[in-house]
Amino acid sequence: EADIYQTPRYLVIGTGKKITLECSQTMGHDKMYWYQQDPGMELHLIHYSYGVNSTEKGDLSSESTVSRIRTEHFPLTLESARPSHTSQYLCASSDGLAGAPSYNEQFFGPGTRLTVL
Amino acid sequence: KNQVEQSPQSLIILEGKNCTLQCNYTVSPFSNLRWYKQDTGRGPVSLTIMTFSENTKSNGRYTATLDADTKQSSLHITASQLSDSASYICVVSDRGSTLGRLYFGRGTQLTVWP
Repeated sequence: EADIYQTPRYLVIGTGKKITLECSQTMGHDKMYWYQQDPGMELHLIHYSYGVNSTEKGDLSSESTVSRIRTEHFPLTLESARPSHTSQYLCASSDGLAGAPSYNEQFFGPGTRLTVL
Repeated sequence: KNQVEQSPQSLIILEGKNCTLQCNYTVSPFSNLRWYKQDTGRGPVSLTIMTFSENTKSNGRYTATLDADTKQSSLHITASQLSDSASYICVVSDRGSTLGRLYFGRGTQLTVWP
């Protein structure tokens, strides 16, 4: 099992609250990712990072922000949560060694199920 | 447009039976194709990975096939168990970016009944 952790696993909050979803990995991977997944739908990339101090927006527009101050830590923050943010958020990491069979092998955390009332 | 399509959307089988899940993709340039298993409320876990030159890969009771010419893959599950109940996601990677972009299918929801 991959060593990538997410907390909390479940979160129910009211509209307008500020929240931070935590993601940590102990594999020393440079690349980290945040995905959003609604039931029965595909994963959508919302943020990614090539390494420390590197963050980029993904394919799906998101009002969340991320930071990468340490290699192992990639938190996601919502300044003011809304019901439309209700979803499952999955964090992943990869070593991204070009040319290796494991290239793009992304290891996923267990996810955070967020409900905004 | 790079896409991954999976069928069927959902499938119910009896314990002990075999089943085959399908994946068609249009991702180019192709790097590799993975099948992930995602249990309810959990993150996806990789089952198999195949590169362009591989056409079969097994992992226990799971056997994946790849036809790079027709851009089709299948996942065959043998002697299904109750624990096989999950969503099975086909994921294709391109080699056109340093990010290693992944393209996800919507998954096939498999339910195994006793």
